[in-house]
Amino acid sequence: EVQLVESGGGLVQPGGSLRLSCAASGFTFSNYWMTWVRQAPGKGLEWVASLNADGSVEHYVDSVKGRFTLFRDNNKNSLYLQMNSLRAEDTAVYYCAPGIVLTTTRAYLDYWGHGTLVTVSS
Amino acid sequence: DIQLTQSPSFLSASVGDTVTITCRASQGITSHLAWYQQKPGKVPKLLIYAASTLQDGVPSRFSGSGSGTEFILTIRSLQPEDFATYYCQQLNGFPLTFGGGTKVEIK
Repeated sequence: EVQLVESGGGLVQPGGSLRLSCAASGFTFSNYWMTWVRQAPGKGLEWVASLNADGSVEHYVDSVKGRFTLFRDNNKNSLYLQMNSLRAEDTAVYYCAPGIVLTTTRAYLDYWGHGTLVTVSS
Repeated sequence: DIQLTQSPSFLSASVGDTVTITCRASQGITSHLAWYQQKPGKVPKLLIYAASTLQDGVPSRFSGSGSGTEFILTIRSLQPEDFATYYCQQLNGFPLTFGGGTKVEIK
């Protein structure tokens, strides 16, 4: 059974840092792109960042570029999101999801984790 | 960046109705579009990918159509468990983007 478990969220002051983790099981983690999506309270979904299977290609939404870093440890089946210089507008539930539904050209997200809440407030 | 505009943002319907939700892209994305369902307090669930392919386990009352810039999610014979918020997402290129969502509520 595919499972994604996020951790590392919490309350942090503006300007602070957090590292989110996503532990994967039930599939060959090292074969798939991984993505973080966030959802601010009462708001819609926002794509944050994606990382390819071997960790060599990363993409970020403009609002987090230079502040967030995505990396993975394929030996530990884990994905990480290092978040620095946090702002109030980063407050959200952060979900990780694998691009596990494959067509010939794209990898669609399924089996999302339950998310971890990040609250940025003084 | 590719913007996705969903309409309507809110709709009220009855059990048994057929509802359609539209997702318009600011530029062509061929068929690189997914639809998700999210119930309150729950995780988004993939319904449709590649614009029209039903994900395993998703009831056949859900269907997707379209290509290029206009896409439609249709739910036939709406069931009580279908009342939720629906999002489209484009995977044509980075940054990946989601539509603003359509909340389907019980009339």
